[in-house]
Amino acid sequence: DTGVSQDPRHKITKRGQNVTFRCDPISEHNRLYWYRQTLGQGPEFLTYFQNEAQLEKSRLLSDRFSAERPKGSFSTLEIQRTEQGDSAMYLCASRENRNNEQFFGPGTRLTVL
Amino acid sequence: GQQVMQIPQYQHVQEGEDFTTYCNSSTTLSNIQWYKQRPGGHPVFLIQLVKSGEVKKQKRLTFQFGEAKKNSSLHITATQTTDVGTYFCAGPGGTSYDKVIFGPGTSLSVIP
Repeated sequence: DTGVSQDPRHKITKRGQNVTFRCDPISEHNRLYWYRQTLGQGPEFLTYFQNEAQLEKSRLLSDRFSAERPKGSFSTLEIQRTEQGDSAMYLCASRENRNNEQFFGPGTRLTVL
Repeated sequence: GQQVMQIPQYQHVQEGEDFTTYCNSSTTLSNIQWYKQRPGGHPVFLIQLVKSGEVKKQKRLTFQFGEAKKNSSLHITATQTTDVGTYFCAGPGGTSYDKVIFGPGTSLSVIP
């Protein structure tokens, strides 16, 4: 499968725990995006990378959220000290340089108890 | 900050009826994209519009970009059950061309 993959697909955690999600984009795509989506809403922009550089981070994102893309390939999104309000679907998307079409992964559904 | 709005939020139609969703941005957009998300699925790119007044068709789907490049519409002719899902418009956000802001979506249900 040459699409965007995300791992894990589901994560259940207790409030206060840290969680980390992984995204593997399509290999030739240099742009990678993270979004959060809650029921009945559109994807909410969190951050994006061009290669390994994190170029923008949403002001809505608290300091508990951090993302990396160390080698310009896969990316990780970490949430520290999770809260119940963090429960959502976390989507990753990638695209190539000259085309705005984003390819989304299946998402990681996070449930914070 | 920039806002992207869509109406209606929900639409229920009888199979064979037409469907239209409207997207409005608080700022002028350099381009607008449309995505479809099936229930339980992830967003899938449908199309991008770039030019003022542009109209593009994909089989039964017609996409239009407004003259002022602040609004767009998606029209589906003779809906089928395969059209079920949520349709999102999205455009560049703020000062960054690469940041993409999605609208809240229009959820379409088709009654067979």
